Amino acid sequence: EPEVTQTPSHQVTQMGQEVILRCVPISNHLYFYWYRQILGQKVEFLVSFYNNEISEKSEIFDDQFSVERPDGSNFTLKIRSTKLEDSAMYFCASSESREYYGYTFGSGTRLTVV
Amino acid sequence: KQEVTQIPAALSVPEGENLVLNCSFTDSAIYNLQWFRQDPGKGLTSLLLIQSSQREQTSGRLNASLDKSSGRSTLYIAASQPGDSATYLCAVRPAGYSTLTFGKGTMLLVSP
Repeated sequence: EPEVTQTPSHQVTQMGQEVILRCVPISNHLYFYWYRQILGQKVEFLVSFYNNEISEKSEIFDDQFSVERPDGSNFTLKIRSTKLEDSAMYFCASSESREYYGYTFGSGTRLTVV
Repeated sequence: KQEVTQIPAALSVPEGENLVLNCSFTDSAIYNLQWFRQDPGKGLTSLLLIQSSQREQTSGRLNASLDKSSGRSTLYIAASQPGDSATYLCAVRPAGYSTLTFGKGTMLLVSP
C-alpha cells in the first residue's frame, strides 16, 4: 500500500536554529499538508499546499514557517528560528482530492527544541 | 468554528468485549469523517472514512456510523483484542475546506 514517508523520525535542535522537515507524499496525490501534535494535545492543522502554492494555513503558521515542493516528489516544512514551544510531533499528509478522499499520514517527525 | 469532542477520554476493557467510541462535532456541514488509530509516539493510521452522504462503513471488526444531522459518529469494535490498544482519533473535514479538525482521542486499553 502506498505510504507517506517522513524524515528524520526524530530531530533535536537548539533554540534559534533552523530546521527542515522532509516528506515524500504519495505520488498521485495532489494535496499536501502539515499538521502537528504537541504532547498530550490535539492534532492541529498547520498548512495545506496545492498546485505549488499554499491553499490554506492556520494561525499557527506564521512567518517562522515555510513550505516548499522543491522537486516532483519532496515536500518540506522549514522552521526558521525554532522556539521551545515548537517541540512537537510533525505529521505530513497527502490526499487525492480536496473533498472526497481520505488523508494518508506519514509516521511523523518528533522535533525537540532544547 | 468546528469543534470535535470524543468520549470517553480513556477506556479499559477485558479482551473479547465489544465496545463503542463516540465522536461529536458542532457543525454538520462536513465533507466526510475519518477515524484514525495512533500508537504511542507513532503516526496516524486511517481506519475508516465515511462520506457525508453515507451512514456507515465497515472494515473487519470495525464499524463506523455517521449521523450528520445530529453531529455524531460512533466507532464500534467487535471482539476486542490486546492489539487494539491504542488511541483512536476522530477527524472531520468541514465543507469548504480541505483540512481536518481532530478530536483529542479515546485511549483504549484491552487487557488479556
